Amino acid sequence: EAGVAQSPRYKIIEKRQSVAFWCNPISGHATLYWYQQILGQGPKLLIQFQNNGVVDDSQLPKDRFSAERLKGVDSTLKIQPAKLEDSAVYLCASSLPYGTSGSTGELFFGEGSRLTVL
Amino acid sequence: AQSVTQLGSHVSVSEGALVLLRCNYSSSVPPYLFWYVQYPNQGLQLLLKYTTGATLVKGINGFEAEFKKSETSFHLTKPSAHMSDAAEYFCAVSEAGANSKLTFGKGITLSVRP
Repeated sequence: EAGVAQSPRYKIIEKRQSVAFWCNPISGHATLYWYQQILGQGPKLLIQFQNNGVVDDSQLPKDRFSAERLKGVDSTLKIQPAKLEDSAVYLCASSLPYGTSGSTGELFFGEGSRLTVL
Repeated sequence: AQSVTQLGSHVSVSEGALVLLRCNYSSSVPPYLFWYVQYPNQGLQLLLKYTTGATLVKGINGFEAEFKKSETSFHLTKPSAHMSDAAEYFCAVSEAGANSKLTFGKGITLSVRP
């Protein structure tokens, strides 16, 4: 079974530039998450989708971050304009929705996209 | 709101020694609890999870954890450390019955000395 795919793995940009990250979840996983992991900290949820609808985006800095999952499958996270403090690893994860047969609450993570803002 | 506390940021053990990584949680409803491991430049991999039933859960690579409701704890243990266990370990909680987002602790780096 193919895992969660993310690209690019690494990205270096200047502050005030824009960047986009792409995620393709495990087939059949309706729930998709974007987490931000700053060096030395645990992952922090930015946004959660159920199919193509947003479930939770309370910690997404909406003045500069946006995310979409138009067809309920793959997703894009965009940062515009980037700040120095956005340097982090952006992790995408997917899961079966709670209550779905086979669901255990486990999230499956991609390898992440490492962003460096100079 | 749910939260996770992982005290300390770094644990160092000798190869063959007991590994104990502590995790305490806060949740207003029965929790689901998880331990994830992260190797350098990789994503998070599930070690083990507690949802319901037996409070002592066994995971991959010889790790296990015990859910203690009275202590709001879910400490991770392994009887004998191996060099390959060196990694970062994250405890996480989600609220059973709610949407399944995970809230993570800040993580603990485990070093294993030869």
